[in-house]
Amino acid sequence: GDSVTQMEGPVTLSEEAFLTINCTYTATGYPSLFWYVQYPGEGLQLLLKATKADDKGSNKGFEATYRKETTSFHLEKGSVQVSDSAVYFCALSDLGDYKLSFGAGTTVTVRA
Amino acid sequence: NAGVTQTPKFRILKIGQSMTLQCTQDMNHNYMYWYRQDPGMGLKLIYYSVGAGITDKGEVPNGYNVSRSTTEDFPLRLELAAPSQTSVYFCASSFRESGANVLTFGAGSRLTVL
Repeated sequence: GDSVTQMEGPVTLSEEAFLTINCTYTATGYPSLFWYVQYPGEGLQLLLKATKADDKGSNKGFEATYRKETTSFHLEKGSVQVSDSAVYFCALSDLGDYKLSFGAGTTVTVRA
Repeated sequence: NAGVTQTPKFRILKIGQSMTLQCTQDMNHNYMYWYRQDPGMGLKLIYYSVGAGITDKGEVPNGYNVSRSTTEDFPLRLELAAPSQTSVYFCASSFRESGANVLTFGAGSRLTVL
């Protein structure tokens, strides 16, 4: 079945550091890929998405590129802030499906 | 616009008790979901619905039941609560955007079974 594997955390960074969270997927079809973010005490929010190969999703300074050849969708941000401290989830939805499969989540803490 | 509303936010149950987690959305979304979140395990799908009157099992449905009598509401019932059901539960609804289903989540319900 479809699945997502993401980099284990926790990750601790200093402000203005570069952030990368690795995500790879296994899917039988042509999935859409997502990054969701969960701030402390809140539900998940969509951060960005990509629906086909070579698409780049971007939002709030975060970017991720859908790489079909490496089955990856790594999340990057060039300069993190304390407010980026959260849990980040990679997810996929196969073509025509309406369910999402989530990775285990990566906890990111940014220190001032 | 309230989005997805879940109640209660917190609840403590004794083993063997039953309860219902309420979920309502005001976005007229057809698709609704219940996930549970356990530490280090990500989110696991319990049940989902593609419209009023239609529900189906997800990855971890045992010990739970759902109903979908209206587009807005999708309650999750726990029968005979067990400690393994201690978790944070999230309800979500979705619409399709650019060929992908985008989920909107509620704030979560933290359940402890003692």
